[in-house]
Amino acid sequence: DIQMTQSPSSLSASVGDRVTITCRASQDISNLLAWYQQKPGKAPKSLIYAASSLQTGVPSRFSGSTSGTDFSLTISSLQPEDFATYYCQQYYRYPFTFGQGTKLDIK
Amino acid sequence: EVQLLESGGGLVQPGGSLRLSCAASGFTFINYAMNWVRQAPGKGLECVSSISGGAKSTYYADSVKGRFTISRDNSKNTLYLQMNTLRVEDTAVYFCAKAPVTWGSGFYFDLWGRGTLVTVSS
Repeated sequence: DIQMTQSPSSLSASVGDRVTITCRASQDISNLLAWYQQKPGKAPKSLIYAASSLQTGVPSRFSGSTSGTDFSLTISSLQPEDFATYYCQQYYRYPFTFGQGTKLDIK
Repeated sequence: EVQLLESGGGLVQPGGSLRLSCAASGFTFINYAMNWVRQAPGKGLECVSSISGGAKSTYYADSVKGRFTISRDNSKNTLYLQMNTLRVEDTAVYFCAKAPVTWGSGFYFDLWGRGTLVTVSS
């Protein structure tokens, strides 16, 4: 199975901060990576697919990038509604695997 | 409104069975692969099963293969997961999730339901 190692596991930040979450794949996955946001008790929400394509309706402060097998999700200016847990997911090969999550909370 | 609504979760003893349902609305159901993704308490996400739009192709994670069966009724816009021989480690919130394609070698999930809790305990 392809392992997805996400870092950090938790992050404290303030409204207006720029934050970056990283996901490293254990092997080449091309650009077949997605990012999700999950708030407590709610369904995950798709943010980014194909490493850097923004899902319809997602604010432009969210962006994705890639460098080899390292993938990043950046929020350019944190808003109160962005405090949540974020997951990456590779869909290059079955089984599609997720990172362990990054919990972003208010400093 | 585009949405997915799961039902059928509950408390079941080890070795028991449960059938989950997911009612879809707001999109052409048959055109998209559908999936079940679970999240154990305090844990991450695991895709346990997928089915193509026309129901001809399926995928099962090794952890559920031979015990779970995914199916869909495109006339009712409904996805199912029949879970047999349940184990304590199957305890999780089960999410229904839509893929943006009919099937393929890989896909992500562009729409999720709110989930239904399955608890396996004696």
